[in-house]
Amino acid sequence: AQSVSQHNHHVILSEAASLELGCNYSYGGTVNLFWYVQYPGQHLQLLLKYFSGDPLVKGIKGFEAEFIKSKFSFNLRKPSVQWSDTAEYFCAVNEGTNAGKSTFGDGTTLTVKP
Amino acid sequence: EAQVTQNPRYLITVTGKKLTVTCSQNMNHEYMSWYRQDPGLGLRQIYYSMNVEVTDKGDVPEGYKVSRKEKRNFPLILESPSPNQTSLYFCASSYTGVGEQYFGPGTRLTVT
Repeated sequence: AQSVSQHNHHVILSEAASLELGCNYSYGGTVNLFWYVQYPGQHLQLLLKYFSGDPLVKGIKGFEAEFIKSKFSFNLRKPSVQWSDTAEYFCAVNEGTNAGKSTFGDGTTLTVKP
Repeated sequence: EAQVTQNPRYLITVTGKKLTVTCSQNMNHEYMSWYRQDPGLGLRQIYYSMNVEVTDKGDVPEGYKVSRKEKRNFPLILESPSPNQTSLYFCASSYTGVGEQYFGPGTRLTVT
């Protein structure tokens, strides 16, 4: 079965620090990759996605992620975090050949100190 | 406004009392899913639906039922809820089954 691993469960940073959240998946076939964010008290919303093409994708609010196929990874980055980035972040994978089936990572809680 | 709605948002019930959580989307999406979110476990897919009358099990389907009689609605049914089903539940929809999903606001269920 497909699995998604997020290496950091809780990250605490000061404002202006750089962020990198790790995500690895296990499926060897075609995948579509996503990062979702859940701000306190809100529902999940899409940060960015990768389907094909340029492995470096940019999302909203200055986030970007890099797909490295050989490492089965899709790490999320932001050069300079803000207090408003405090949220829970989820990596998710959809198998390209099994439409509808989604697997999420356990989530990473990011706390940004002002 | 494009959205996924869920009702109720909060529910406290007792073991064994059947309940239904409704989910509706107004984006004419083909695919809909139900997830539960538990601390440290992330989101786990319960069931998903590819179209009307077509559903399939996700990773944690035990104890749940779903139906898709209309494209816009995808209710989650707990025939005999148990305390281990206490969780935060999210409904989601997507145009294609491999694309981004749009999530509802969540339903916090407590089973005592």
